[in-house]
Amino acid sequence: AQSVAQPEDQVNVAEGNPLTVKCTYSVSGNPYLFWYVQYPNRGLQFLLKYITGDNLVKGSYGFEAEFNKSQTSFHLKKPSALVSDSALYFCAVIGAAGNKLTFGGGTRVLVKP
Amino acid sequence: GAVVSQHPSWVICKSGTSVKIECRSLDFQATTMFWYRQFPKQSLMLMATSNEGSKATYEQGVEKDKFLINHASLTLSTLTVTSAHPEDSSFYICSAQQYLASVGETQYFGPGTRLLVL
Repeated sequence: AQSVAQPEDQVNVAEGNPLTVKCTYSVSGNPYLFWYVQYPNRGLQFLLKYITGDNLVKGSYGFEAEFNKSQTSFHLKKPSALVSDSALYFCAVIGAAGNKLTFGGGTRVLVKP
Repeated sequence: GAVVSQHPSWVICKSGTSVKIECRSLDFQATTMFWYRQFPKQSLMLMATSNEGSKATYEQGVEKDKFLINHASLTLSTLTVTSAHPEDSSFYICSAQQYLASVGETQYFGPGTRLLVL
């Protein structure tokens, strides 16, 4: 069975500082990894995904994520956080054999001005 | 591109009535759509996989007679909550799967439908 862990329920960061949201996964075979962001009372917006190739993936709104196979991690990063980045972030994985997304529990990001 | 809509965005109904939620992929065709349920401050729980032209595949513990799914076209899937009860109150989110040769399959999500059953 595949699983995703987001160890931090909430991350607080000052505007302009680097932002990191952690994610580790467990899956059989090669993973497809995703990051989504959810604003209050809204659906999920796709940020980026990793399929294969370069371990550093660049996505929307200046976000990027680094795939680390040995640590089974896919941490989301942004060099300089904005107040508008405050939202709920979900990491998700699909195993190579299927098409079902398994989500982590979510990490709430609060960027303070 | 890759826009998914849901209608209605919110609905309040009386206990015992049925509610239909529509999920549409606006600028792409989706042979596969998914229905999720999200409880407050929790992650998304996959309810079922909706395949165009065939029966939906339900996750364990999800009552297929309670949550009827129809995927009649490549751009529309509907979820009907039959004989709704207060415990069915939740935020329901759909996604539509798009395939591109360059990036493979990606799920794009609708804005969600908040259901309140009185």
